[in-house]
Amino acid sequence: SQKIEQNSEALNIQEGKTATLTCNYTNYSPAYLQWYRQDPGRGPVFLLLIRENEKEKRKERLKVTFDTTLKQSLFHITASQPADSATYLCALEGTSYDKVIFGPGTSLSVIP
Amino acid sequence: DSGVTQTPKHLITATGQRVTLRCSPRSGDLSVYWYQQSLDQGLQFLIQYYNGEERAKGNILERFSAQQFPDLHSELNLSSLELGDSALYFCASSVDPNGNQPQHFGDGTRLSIL
Repeated sequence: SQKIEQNSEALNIQEGKTATLTCNYTNYSPAYLQWYRQDPGRGPVFLLLIRENEKEKRKERLKVTFDTTLKQSLFHITASQPADSATYLCALEGTSYDKVIFGPGTSLSVIP
Repeated sequence: DSGVTQTPKHLITATGQRVTLRCSPRSGDLSVYWYQQSLDQGLQFLIQYYNGEERAKGNILERFSAQQFPDLHSELNLSSLELGDSALYFCASSVDPNGNQPQHFGDGTRLSIL
């Protein structure tokens, strides 16, 4: 069955460093992949979407890569700040009418 | 503010009861999604509607049902509630039903079953 895995452990990094979060998937060929941020008690907030024919996408301090051969997406936050502390979710969607699958999320803590 | 409104924010009820959760999508969005999030399960897709019609179904229990009304708001009905149904229930909306659009989430309804 379709499965998504993200960093199994919480990620703690020093302020100013680059945080790299991993999303791996199996038994799936998504046309799109999205990344969301979720703060405690709040709904997820959309950050970036990348298509299967795109290798990389950037938005301000955020960068996403999508390797369909490795079945992996990497999410980078450069010059990280304590305000970036949150849980980050990747989500995969099929090409049409397929259900959406969210990964379990990675908790990121940026330490001042 | 995502523009998606969910009511109520909190709901406390007992086993065996029935509840209705309501969602108003962002203005202009035709597609509505429902998700369940519990501590040990992550964000689980339940069901999707587009312009009043069911579009996709996830692992939604038979005790749960949903609908989208002509004004595009949606309701999720949960019946014969069990302790394991305690969770955060999120509604999200998007412009169209396909995966190339971001989803905008409400802040959820926290359901507690006593």
